[in-house]
Amino acid sequence: DQQVKQNSPSLSVQEGRISILNCDYTNSMFDYFLWYKKYPAEGPTFLISISSIKDKNEDGRFTVFLNKSAKHLSLHIVPSQPGDSAVYFCAGTDDKLIFGTGTRLQVFP
Amino acid sequence: GAGVSQSPSNKVTEKGKDVELRCDPISGHTALYWYRQSLGQGLEFLIYFQGNSAPDKSGLPSDRFSAERTGGSVSTLTIQRTQQEDSAVYLCASSLGRSSYNSPLHFGNGTRLTVT
Repeated sequence: DQQVKQNSPSLSVQEGRISILNCDYTNSMFDYFLWYKKYPAEGPTFLISISSIKDKNEDGRFTVFLNKSAKHLSLHIVPSQPGDSAVYFCAGTDDKLIFGTGTRLQVFP
Repeated sequence: GAGVSQSPSNKVTEKGKDVELRCDPISGHTALYWYRQSLGQGLEFLIYFQGNSAPDKSGLPSDRFSAERTGGSVSTLTIQRTQQEDSAVYLCASSLGRSSYNSPLHFGNGTRLTVT
């Protein structure tokens, strides 16, 4: 039973445009959500988080939106840069982090 | 300011052999987690330590897998009688306390285990 789902395995976006990465979850007990970014041969690094009592959190070019009724969250990156090319993992937690399968973002010039 | 350190970075072993993977967390981090990422899969939770005790071992796939943590610091993940399906990247992470909104996990670069 996959509690966190990232249905798009890959996404390609032109530099300067908006990247939108989506995530769905099934566990209504998750009390906060996080996004991690992973480059090849490196461990994931924390990007941004959101509490379940909020619907938006913004940090520079990164904004996470949470729709609890739909059990859906999304990460917006604007403007996208080539250095943003990486695999992005969504995760939820009520006790331990449960990760999705990731979305590979490629930002091209 | 060293981050989470894992060794070895790569390990190739023959089916049936035992392997030990090591994790040095960030100094002062009381919580330590092991995850693994198999090809094409997400990050799968294995075990969580708070100090030297493991209140959550629910993710260990079988009794061939075990882990310990000593001195509230270094942790080793042991896989006995390795099987080909154990091939994956094993990731260790630590945090100041239990992972929370303001205490995200810091990951090491992982150990890539290949069982031939």
